[in-house]
Amino acid sequence: EAGVVQSPRYKIIEKKQPVAFWCNPISGHNTLYWYLQNLGQGPELLIRYENEEAVDDSQLPKDRFSAERLKGVDSTLKIQPAELGDSAVYLCASSYYGRSYEQYFGPGTRLTVT
Amino acid sequence: GQQLNQSPQSMFIQEGEDVSMNCTSSSIFNTWLWYKQDPGEGPVLLIALYKAGELTSNGRLTAQFGITRKDSFLNISASIPSDVGIYFCAGQQTGANNLFFGTGTRLTVIP
Repeated sequence: EAGVVQSPRYKIIEKKQPVAFWCNPISGHNTLYWYLQNLGQGPELLIRYENEEAVDDSQLPKDRFSAERLKGVDSTLKIQPAELGDSAVYLCASSYYGRSYEQYFGPGTRLTVT
Repeated sequence: GQQLNQSPQSMFIQEGEDVSMNCTSSSIFNTWLWYKQDPGEGPVLLIALYKAGELTSNGRLTAQFGITRKDSFLNISASIPSDVGIYFCAGQQTGANNLFFGTGTRLTVIP
């Protein structure tokens, strides 16, 4: 079974530029999560999808961050414009509906904003 | 969000030694999880605990769900070099779907 796929693995951009991250969850997993992981810290949830519906986006900074999961499978997280403080690892995870205690993580996208 | 504190923050041990680490919270959780993260990778689930007092093993790893529901412990026996990484605890509250992660314990195993 293929794991959670994320791309790109690394991204370096200048501040004020836009950036997008892509995630393809494990086949059959209805729930998809985007996490932010700052250096030396644990992951923090940005947004959670049940199928195509964003059911928890309370921690997503909506002035510059947006996400979509149009067909309830893969998802894109966007930042526009990026700021220096956005430098971090962006992790995607997925799980079966109702089994959020069993999340499987992708390798993450390491973003560096210069 | 909820604050989960892990200790120690980092530890250096000799290969073959046993390791203990813990995770505490001011809030009650009904599920505790332990993840390991290797450099450049996402966290991988090691052990899940669902009941207060529960003791669960996965190979050389043993984890316990604290009686108060506010803490959990992870032990690694006879450490080997591939145990190197960052260990995160995570908790889930009753009726919630989100996980809250701890601050991590960085383990270094000296051959």
